[in-house]
Amino acid sequence: DTGVSQDPRHKITKRGQNVTFRCDPISEHNRLYWYRQTLGQGPEFLTYFQNEAQLEKSRLLSDRFSAERPKGSFSTLEIQRTEQGDSAMYLCASSPPGGPGEKLFFGSGTQLSVL
Amino acid sequence: DQQVKQNSPSLSVQEGRISILNCDYTNSMFDYFLWYKKYPAEGPTFLISISSIKDKNEDGRFTVFLNKSAKHLSLHIVPSQPGDSAVYFCAASGTGTASKLTFGTGTRLQVTL
Repeated sequence: DTGVSQDPRHKITKRGQNVTFRCDPISEHNRLYWYRQTLGQGPEFLTYFQNEAQLEKSRLLSDRFSAERPKGSFSTLEIQRTEQGDSAMYLCASSPPGGPGEKLFFGSGTQLSVL
Repeated sequence: DQQVKQNSPSLSVQEGRISILNCDYTNSMFDYFLWYKKYPAEGPTFLISISSIKDKNEDGRFTVFLNKSAKHLSLHIVPSQPGDSAVYFCAASGTGTASKLTFGTGTRLQVTL
């Protein structure tokens, strides 16, 4: 039973550069979520997909952020023109089809440091 | 606007004793509540959940209590073990939110020998 996989685990970049993260959900899960967690805070919702459709985006997701899930399988999260405030742990989660409250399965996250 | 609040950033408990972690919420539309445990350098892992139609759910050493009128829930761990040392997050979701979770800020539990 493979869990949610995220790549890379760590990313260090300079301010102004673009970065892209990848998430591979559990194969039978049709819902995929991106969260961001900063030090001392809980995970904050960014966006979610049902299959390939991006159904909701948080106001935290500025126009420098874009997420895709082609073919409803893996997903990518791109941050353009990174800023120091983007430094955080980016978590991906997936869940199977079901009603509200279905528990999410999280990956280990990508730790982004913007210098 | 913190809709889910965990007011205790840390808690220290002796091995074998009860750990009680608390969580308050403000959004009355929340109807499903979950607890996640997080170790350093790992993603959160699901621990236990409760629907708003219940006031208690138990799974082994873990019990979650929900007081809807007070908008309060708590997680009891009995007996506490050193391996329980982690950060615990309370989370909530509501009807129609497609499992989008709102998390609290977490409570770091340390179980001492």
